[in-house]
Amino acid sequence: GAGVSQSPRYKVAKRGQDVALRCDPISGHVSLFWYQQALGQGPEFLTYFQNEAQLDKSGLPSDRFFAERPEGSVSTLKIQRTQQEDSAVYLCASSLVSGRTRFMNTEAFFGQGTRLTVV
Amino acid sequence: SQQGEEDPQALSIQEGENATMNCSYKTSINNLQWYRQNSGRGLVHLILIRSNEREKHSGRLRVTLDTSKKSSSLLITASRAADTASYFCATLSNFGNEKLTFGTGTRLTIIP
Repeated sequence: GAGVSQSPRYKVAKRGQDVALRCDPISGHVSLFWYQQALGQGPEFLTYFQNEAQLDKSGLPSDRFFAERPEGSVSTLKIQRTQQEDSAVYLCASSLVSGRTRFMNTEAFFGQGTRLTVV
Repeated sequence: SQQGEEDPQALSIQEGENATMNCSYKTSINNLQWYRQNSGRGLVHLILIRSNEREKHSGRLRVTLDTSKKSSSLLITASRAADTASYFCATLSNFGNEKLTFGTGTRLTIIP
């Protein structure tokens, strides 16, 4: 596809349920990011992959959050035992190369996000 | 945590007027980027300015960067109703990590 695709667009989960959010980045993009955006706030970094390697997971709020990108393309963000405070929009972004290579103007392309509501 | 603040939090102007939004950040940066987000949708990249640049233009957009004050501004000239959205600045730090750190955003409303 032409852009970053996320599914599902909307997810309602009962508290305690596990959820899995999928991100299909733009083909060939090396870097992939997950962000969490609470209502009325800016996106907050969760984790970063360079190809299949998870290089930074410092933003994951707890060990209930887990992300993977096993083949360096599609990524899944899994949240176990969801809680109400997990309700947010989860955004995935990809970029062609690392921001620190000689391609200093590399922008990040964002998907539409998955709106998770935990009830 | 968020990198910094954007100012104002909300801005309403008449169509055709210019809109100015400001962003302040806290740490040394590699570059600063501005994004637009329409309600319920993803973020769209608008413009990137590197730490060694002071001003950049793209169409109706003008971005300035003052690294001594750790601040940036986004000017949208001749605003249109379609410019109604939230605008976020995001910084890439100099400290070796790859993440973009976003501000709190400015909600811009253009009144037709």
